[in-house]
Amino acid sequence: DVKVTQSSRYLVKRTGEKVFLECVQDMDHENMFWYRQDPGLGLRLIYFSYDVKMKEKGDIPEGYSVSREKKERFSLILESASTNQTSMYLCASSLPSVGDPSTDTQYFGPGTRLTVL
Amino acid sequence: KQEVTQIPAALSVPEGENLVLNCSFTDSAIYNLQWFRQDPGKGLTSLLLIQSSQREQTSGRLNASLDKSSGRSTLYIAASQPGDSATYLCAVSPMYSSASKIIFGSGTRLSIRP
Repeated sequence: DVKVTQSSRYLVKRTGEKVFLECVQDMDHENMFWYRQDPGLGLRLIYFSYDVKMKEKGDIPEGYSVSREKKERFSLILESASTNQTSMYLCASSLPSVGDPSTDTQYFGPGTRLTVL
Repeated sequence: KQEVTQIPAALSVPEGENLVLNCSFTDSAIYNLQWFRQDPGKGLTSLLLIQSSQREQTSGRLNASLDKSSGRSTLYIAASQPGDSATYLCAVSPMYSSASKIIFGSGTRLSIRP
């Protein structure tokens, strides 16, 4: 079974702090994703990475950066946390589409509930 | 731009009832549609994946249908149980996007009353 783990389930930080959220997957997946989830807004894609050291902006990248130094690890960085970044953060991974992309799916970690005071 | 909508946002039914959750999407150019389950404070678990060439998929008491031409999908849950209480999210994989991106609806929070 695919396993995606996130470093913390709950995190409380203060405004202005630098925050690191870590995600690790054990299935040698090329693609990794960071989402935030807010009530009524669903999941919104922040950044994704399709290979080591490669990254692309998602729909809401402002205020965030990412790092992918190793294939299994994808980090989300809040350079200066703000209260509007209080949210549930979800990491996911997937294989690249090879052949038929209609069977592609993503595997999710348990989430990190971040509160910025 | 692809948008996914789920109505209602919340639903409460008594145990044992059959129920239907609805999902609509604006662009029929998709590779697949998935239904996910999310328990409170947890990550997402994929329940059913319907490829664009398929009309439905079944798993146990769950049946999902896909009508690409009308941009609609339904998730049918038979003989509901309290353990089915969770948020159900619909998601589509758009064509012409990179790296297996998925667009999610905002979910339907389902509560099954004992």
